[in-house]
Amino acid sequence: DQQVKQNSPSLSVQEGRISILNCDYTNSMFDYFLWYKKYPAEGPTFLISISSIKDKNEDGRFTVFLNKSAKHLSLHIVPSQPGDSAVYFCAARGLTRGGADGLTFGKGTHLIIQP
Amino acid sequence: DAGITQSPRHKVTETGTPVTLRCHQTENHRYMYWYRQDPGHGLRLIHYSYGVKDTDKGEVSDGYSVSRSKTEDFLLTLESATSSQTSVYFCAISERGLFAAYEQYFGPGTRLTVT
Repeated sequence: DQQVKQNSPSLSVQEGRISILNCDYTNSMFDYFLWYKKYPAEGPTFLISISSIKDKNEDGRFTVFLNKSAKHLSLHIVPSQPGDSAVYFCAARGLTRGGADGLTFGKGTHLIIQP
Repeated sequence: DAGITQSPRHKVTETGTPVTLRCHQTENHRYMYWYRQDPGHGLRLIHYSYGVKDTDKGEVSDGYSVSRSKTEDFLLTLESATSSQTSVYFCAISERGLFAAYEQYFGPGTRLTVT
């Protein structure tokens, strides 16, 4: 059973417009959410995160919104740039031993920015 | 740059042979993780470590073992490789700051093919 779902395998957006990537989760014990960006043949790169006690976090062109009652979060990228073309993973922090942070990832959304 | 290296970066091995992947970090972080990435599955946690000689299982630990005898090294071993273990393996690290940040930082990955 998938606890973190990204239902759009791919998304195409025109350069300069807003990109909105969505993520749903089922486990109400998740208390922290993260977005990662991944280019081919590289490791995922941390982008932005949000605590479950907040509903919005902003960092430059990137904003993450959290709707806890709907168990839904979204990543907004404004304006979209060609370098934003990548696979984006949503991840959620669950409880593990010793204070470590086991992350549960969605399957990813491939964002393509069209010129 | 989080100072994480993985070795080897690519490996082809035969079914039934043992394989060890190495993750090395230079930042003295306490927490280390091994994930695998497969098409249609995102990233999945294999094992993690919350200190020297302190390790625990993740979501997909069957067929894998780990060891951490030094802070800087976290080894992942496939005792007898199977074709289902063909994957890209990522190591990650995290650390607690004053504000309990939960971000994990990933290495470049190891592409393992089991024939």
